[in-house]
Amino acid sequence: NAGVTQTPKFQVLKTGQSMTLQCAQDMNHNSMYWYRQDPGMGLRLIYYSASEGTTDKGEVPNGYNVSRLNKREFSLRLESAAPSQTSVYFCASAGAAAGEQFFGPGTRLTVL
Amino acid sequence: KNEVEQSPQNLTAQEGEFITINCSYSVGISALHWLQQHPGGGIVSLFMLSSGKKKHGRLIATINIQEKHSSLHITASHPRDSAVYICAPAGGTSYGKLTFGQGTILTVHP
Repeated sequence: NAGVTQTPKFQVLKTGQSMTLQCAQDMNHNSMYWYRQDPGMGLRLIYYSASEGTTDKGEVPNGYNVSRLNKREFSLRLESAAPSQTSVYFCASAGAAAGEQFFGPGTRLTVL
Repeated sequence: KNEVEQSPQNLTAQEGEFITINCSYSVGISALHWLQQHPGGGIVSLFMLSSGKKKHGRLIATINIQEKHSSLHITASHPRDSAVYICAPAGGTSYGKLTFGQGTILTVHP
């Protein structure tokens, strides 16, 4: 099992460009999450999906959109990237909504 | 005021020492997670507990729900334990929202 995979690992964007971060899990988990991690801020929840077909905002959703494509895949889209979105992005999944979370390796995004 | 406070923020130890990392939180929780983030950036779940104590190898996690406090202990520390340890209480909502502490940077010297 690969667990939780994320692509790409690194990305550099110019302000205003758009991109989609991909996340997939092969553990048949219902819940999936997108976090960002910034120095001195800790991890913060951007969006989550409690089950296939549902998505909800987390703590810092502005500037992002998500799609729960199917049970396996949960993508995060930046429509118009801003330097404030420079961060490391982690996807996670959990079998139950309040269960142990399994994290992907992260995507390091720089917006110039 | 942060909802989750970890102490210490930085911890340096010699190999073999007993390590304790503390976590205090102010929110009501359904469970508390301890995570480990390696120097390379990967995050691994160590424990999820809602009461009492859990042990996995040289790691022990305890929680006191009444006092809103949890501790992570590492016995016989080793340089490979060097990492950032993150406390994350899970709220009582249906989706189990995690509130993350700032992390404790642990360095274990040989």
